[in-house]
Amino acid sequence: GIQVEQSPPDLILQEGANSTLRCNFSDSVNNLQWFHQNPWGQLINLFYIPSGTKQNGRLSATTVATERYSLLYISSSQTTDSGVYFCAVTAGGTSYGKLTFGQGTILTVHP
Amino acid sequence: SQTIHQWPATLVQPVGSPLSLECTVEGTSNPNLYWYRQAAGRGLQLLFYSVGIGQISSEVPQNLSASRPQDRQFILSSKKLLLSDSGFYLCAWRRTSNEKLFFGSGTQLSVL
Repeated sequence: GIQVEQSPPDLILQEGANSTLRCNFSDSVNNLQWFHQNPWGQLINLFYIPSGTKQNGRLSATTVATERYSLLYISSSQTTDSGVYFCAVTAGGTSYGKLTFGQGTILTVHP
Repeated sequence: SQTIHQWPATLVQPVGSPLSLECTVEGTSNPNLYWYRQAAGRGLQLLFYSVGIGQISSEVPQNLSASRPQDRQFILSSKKLLLSDSGFYLCAWRRTSNEKLFFGSGTQLSVL
């Protein structure tokens, strides 16, 4: 099956810093999503981005499907950005759109 | 708007006891429904998915089963829990296989 690798595994920032999280995948995809899991376990869908660039406030994401990677940018980080960020993909040709998750990046933002 | 409800939030069960976790979705019809398990706070494993009433597909052979008795209701069950069944269980839904996936708030299950 498709492999999803996220980097870095852990990231520690001071409030106000910018960061880039990366997601590499091993095969062509027709679906890519980014999620944020807060310290209470709730998973929030940040972006549905199989290709191109999207922005939502301080967050933006870019997927270059031909080169098999996606980037999540967080600008002017805040303590509420802390948590785990997951990338999830669906390999092309999967009949029911199974999402395969990466292992996540644990982000800690200090005040 | 659509919402997803999952309960209970936490559950402590003895080994060998049965399990029933329930998930319901409001505000949509015929959603795709999913059960995931997350161990040790990293990585989500798909357990079951359903594209319609009575239609269940299993991803991983295990001690669990799922049922979809109504269009917007998804139930995760076990007849006899094992220690290895402990984990964080998440229900999720989306309209179609190529749309955003939305998660419930999860159930932290501890089997002792």
